Amino acid sequence: QVQLVQSGAEMKKPGASVKVSCKASGYSFATYGIAWVRQAPGQGLEWMGWISGFNGNADYSRKLQGRSTMTADTSTSTAYLELRGLNSDDTAVYYCARDEGRTVTTHYDSWGQGTLVTVSS
Amino acid sequence: DIQMTQSPSSLSASVGDRVTITCQASQDISDHLNWYYQKPGKAPRLLIYDASNLETGVPSRFSGSGSGTDFSLTISSLQPEEIATFYCQQYDTLPVTFGPGTKVEIK
Repeated sequence: QVQLVQSGAEMKKPGASVKVSCKASGYSFATYGIAWVRQAPGQGLEWMGWISGFNGNADYSRKLQGRSTMTADTSTSTAYLELRGLNSDDTAVYYCARDEGRTVTTHYDSWGQGTLVTVSS
Repeated sequence: DIQMTQSPSSLSASVGDRVTITCQASQDISDHLNWYYQKPGKAPRLLIYDASNLETGVPSRFSGSGSGTDFSLTISSLQPEEIATFYCQQYDTLPVTFGPGTKVEIK
């Protein structure tokens, strides 16, 4: 069955960087994309961007563009999200999700368990 | 960016009630609209994609309709396990945007 397993919780200081991984299994990684969505405590869902497993192209939220990088390693079926210049507003649960789209983002039919990133001095 | 609004922001209904949540986009998004629900402490789950298509494995009591700017999600008979927050999401134009959510509680 389709499964996305994310890396563990992270505690970071302001200004630091974090890299979250999302290992996919149970399907052909290159046939789908991976979207990243975050959720601050008690808040709604915020789209961060997505990356195509097919061609590695990525689209980013304008709010995070320049601070975030999404990559996909097809050899290990693993997607990565790196976020730099962390501040307290980045404290959130970060989710990866399988995107049904191959070259454009569409809908997210399977989700990782979430990774809590806490930014605190 | 396309703004998504949902109403109501929260609702309380009895088991067996018919529940409808609406979602409005700030501009025409055709049928590029998905619905998710999220139980407390859990990852979201896809319910409906492309406005009206039921995701595999989702109970048939869920249905979606609409196109353009106005959409709705209906639960024909609310069940106790539907204590959750429901989100709409548009993917017509980047950036993808989610609605603020509708919290459903059981009376």
